[in-house]
Amino acid sequence: NAGVTQTPKFQVLKTGQSMTLQCAQDMNHNSMYWYRQDPGMGLRLIYYSASEGTTDKGEVPNGYNVSRLNKREFSLRLESAAPSQTSVYFCASSERFFGPGTRLTVL
Amino acid sequence: QKEVEQNSGPLSVPEGAIASLNCTYSDRGSQSFFWYRQYSGKSPELIMSIYSNGDKEDGRFTAQLNKASQYVSLLIRDSQPSDSATYLCAVYNNDMRFGAGTRLTVKP
Repeated sequence: NAGVTQTPKFQVLKTGQSMTLQCAQDMNHNSMYWYRQDPGMGLRLIYYSASEGTTDKGEVPNGYNVSRLNKREFSLRLESAAPSQTSVYFCASSERFFGPGTRLTVL
Repeated sequence: QKEVEQNSGPLSVPEGAIASLNCTYSDRGSQSFFWYRQYSGKSPELIMSIYSNGDKEDGRFTAQLNKASQYVSLLIRDSQPSDSATYLCAVYNNDMRFGAGTRLTVKP
């Protein structure tokens, strides 16, 4: 029982590059979330998925896309990375369980 | 705009004292309220959730909700040095909004 897993743990990108952050949960939860956390700003919701097959925008969706591939997996894609997307990204399964985070730096 | 406000701290209390953390929110339609603890460099951990007015106790933690005043608080009794962390308040109404967090230091 791994809980919530995220890959990669660290990533450095150049401006304009694309990448996908992966998240998986093994707790059979319907809802999954993607957040970003910047220093002094708490967590901000990027996208969420209330159930398999549905996704909705959160507070800061611009520059991101998501896919709820199945009940277990919820991925976050940056199509053209910008320095403003440098942050720590957390995936959550329900409101209760968070993954370990991905530290992303965009140069 | 849905705002969630917390005092950034730092809040410092001696070991064994009661720590009181406060949070206000602007969205009157908010339905669910959460407190998370986050140690430096780690992911948030849910410690309390509350959905109706009044108090909810779980061990040394008590959450208090007053929807009329749009106010939710967390009390930590018998504070321990291991409680030193940042505490995040979160409010749910169709999406989740977090406050910036209050840093708590418990001094031995």
